[in-house]
Amino acid sequence: EPEVTQTPSHQVTQMGQEVILRCVPISNHLYFYWYRQILGQKVEFLVSFYNNEISEKSEIFDDQFSVERPDGSNFTLKIRSTKLEDSAMYFCASSGTGFGEKLFFGSGTQLSVL
Amino acid sequence: DQQVKQNSPSLSVQEGRISILNCDYTNSMFDYFLWYKKYPAEGPTFLISISSIKDKNEDGRFTVFLNKSAKHLSLHIVPSQPGDSAVYFCAASALGSGTYKYIFGTGTRLKVLA
Repeated sequence: EPEVTQTPSHQVTQMGQEVILRCVPISNHLYFYWYRQILGQKVEFLVSFYNNEISEKSEIFDDQFSVERPDGSNFTLKIRSTKLEDSAMYFCASSGTGFGEKLFFGSGTQLSVL
Repeated sequence: DQQVKQNSPSLSVQEGRISILNCDYTNSMFDYFLWYKKYPAEGPTFLISISSIKDKNEDGRFTVFLNKSAKHLSLHIVPSQPGDSAVYFCAASALGSGTYKYIFGTGTRLKVLA
């Protein structure tokens, strides 16, 4: 079965550093998402991406965050200057047509900001 | 702003019995709902969905019921198996409003006792 892959599985960084989280969505999918889960809390929507642009973003997704689909297969989330509160599990997801489609999630990147 | 709530953080059920996981929502614009299962260190895995035009959807051991007037949905698993032990999330979206993002609940940890 096709799957969403995320790298790395764990990322440790110092506060103030930039991190890039990488995702390879399912190849024929058109809609891409980033979600995150702080330990013990709910899975929170960050951003959705379609047709090479952001379609929606949450209030969490401020100017420190950006997304890119640089080469037609990868989908990246960049955090420009990490804060302690950015420590979370970050999940990439993709869906086919978007409307009424289930999201396929990757296994996540655990980001620890020290 | 907790638009999707799962008020039971945990549930224990004997193997072979029915597990009932509940989810409440506040946004009357939500028209599509998903249930996901999540094991530790893995991404959420899709289980079953329901559109607001239905009040029930069944897939094998899993049945989802939707009560629109009460803004409540439930996931029934019968018979429950030890492998069902995981965290279960409900998610909702207002697809008819042109959004593709899903709002997740806080999750319910199900433990099926052998």
